[in-house]
Amino acid sequence: SQELEQSPQSLIVQEGKNLTINCTSSKTLYGLYWYKQKYGEGLIFLMMLQKGGEEKSHEKITAKLDEKKQQSSLHITASQPSHAGIYLCGADTIGGGGNKLTFGTGTQLKVEL
Amino acid sequence: DAGITQSPRHKVTETGTPVTLRCHQTENHRYMYWYRQDPGHGLRLIHYSYGVKDTDKGEVSDGYSVSRSKTEDFLLTLESATSSQTSVYFCAIRSGLGSYEQYFGPGTRLTVT
Repeated sequence: SQELEQSPQSLIVQEGKNLTINCTSSKTLYGLYWYKQKYGEGLIFLMMLQKGGEEKSHEKITAKLDEKKQQSSLHITASQPSHAGIYLCGADTIGGGGNKLTFGTGTQLKVEL
Repeated sequence: DAGITQSPRHKVTETGTPVTLRCHQTENHRYMYWYRQDPGHGLRLIHYSYGVKDTDKGEVSDGYSVSRSKTEDFLLTLESATSSQTSVYFCAIRSGLGSYEQYFGPGTRLTVT
């Protein structure tokens, strides 16, 4: 099994609906990174979480790292077509600087009008 | 925009030929990374550099070598390309000044026939 599991693998929501994407690690997370990728393009950095219980927001996207530091959730409020894309979580499960990140396989989000 | 360019952006090559991909950054960041992205595997770290002439292996380093003779350039070489190295290759940078976020380039799509 993967060290870092994302769920769901894909998601179709209607515009205006809320949604949540989860990222679960089999190891302790020293840093958890959320990225967004549009097809054929590079990754765009969204947020980084380090402390258990930490929560960060950027526009209508909120990410949280749970207290036990083995799971993170990404929540989008009132989804818009601009939110469509692939959301990837990356994790530092080694510590010491975050040079060796492990990534999940991504969650593909489609937003229907 | 983190000032990262990758060249070439697309390349088709034959099995057994050498290939070099270039990552160039304009902001003197200390850390640079090479990843490959494949369906079902997500992003996987190939090699990274923590300074000029300082490099370390990642998860999938076999068949790849890297060089960093100056701060701004990080080269990835496939000495003898194989079909299993067909992939999208991403370069990333990290400033290292108390910052852990990695910022990604636009990617290079490599096809080995």
